Amino acid sequence: KNEVEQSPQNLTAQEGEFITINCSYSVGISALHWLQQHPGGGIVSLFMLSSGKKKHGRLIATINIQEKHSSLHITASHPRDSAVYICAVWRGSQGNLIFGKGTKLSVKP
Amino acid sequence: KAGVTQTPRYLIKTRGQQVTLSCSPISGHRSVSWYQQTPGQGLQFLFEYFSETQRNKGNFPGRFSGRQFSNSRSEMNVSTLELGDSALYLCASSLDLIISGNTIYFGEGSWLTVV
Repeated sequence: KNEVEQSPQNLTAQEGEFITINCSYSVGISALHWLQQHPGGGIVSLFMLSSGKKKHGRLIATINIQEKHSSLHITASHPRDSAVYICAVWRGSQGNLIFGKGTKLSVKP
Repeated sequence: KAGVTQTPRYLIKTRGQQVTLSCSPISGHRSVSWYQQTPGQGLQFLFEYFSETQRNKGNFPGRFSGRQFSNSRSEMNVSTLELGDSALYLCASSLDLIISGNTIYFGEGSWLTVV
């Protein structure tokens, strides 16, 4: 079993829909990152969370440390949000960043 | 402000050879980290350098090594290349160590094909 699991693996939405991507982890962590990867490889760091909730524009990220779960929400989705969204956790005890397999999001106009 | 620059962008090597990849971080950034991305394994953390010292390391064999220079530029070396080393190698930089919470900025990556 992977230490970081994301769901769903693939997600297709209509423009304007509210989107949720989930990340569950089974190890102790000091922080969790959400990344966005566009076709061609470019990766953008969206959030780093150690507790609570962060918001940036139409993106909201939450983390529940007790339940070892994080969610990334996109409000009013747009075709330009189409990308792979990757969750990564920082295992402070090992100094290692462990990645989920990613969620491929496609937003149709 | 220039972003993270990786060179070369594409390269083809033969099994058994070695390869060196270069990364120039954003000016003022002191942390450089390296990652491998393959279709099968996804993204994997290789190591993180800060102030010319390797501070954190992922689960890769000793064939994968790196270094950081006094100007924060970093190089990654893979010796005795195997077919399975074919991957996109990404470099990222941040003001401080990853754990500090500063934003991580990624380069476009170096595509390595081993034949």
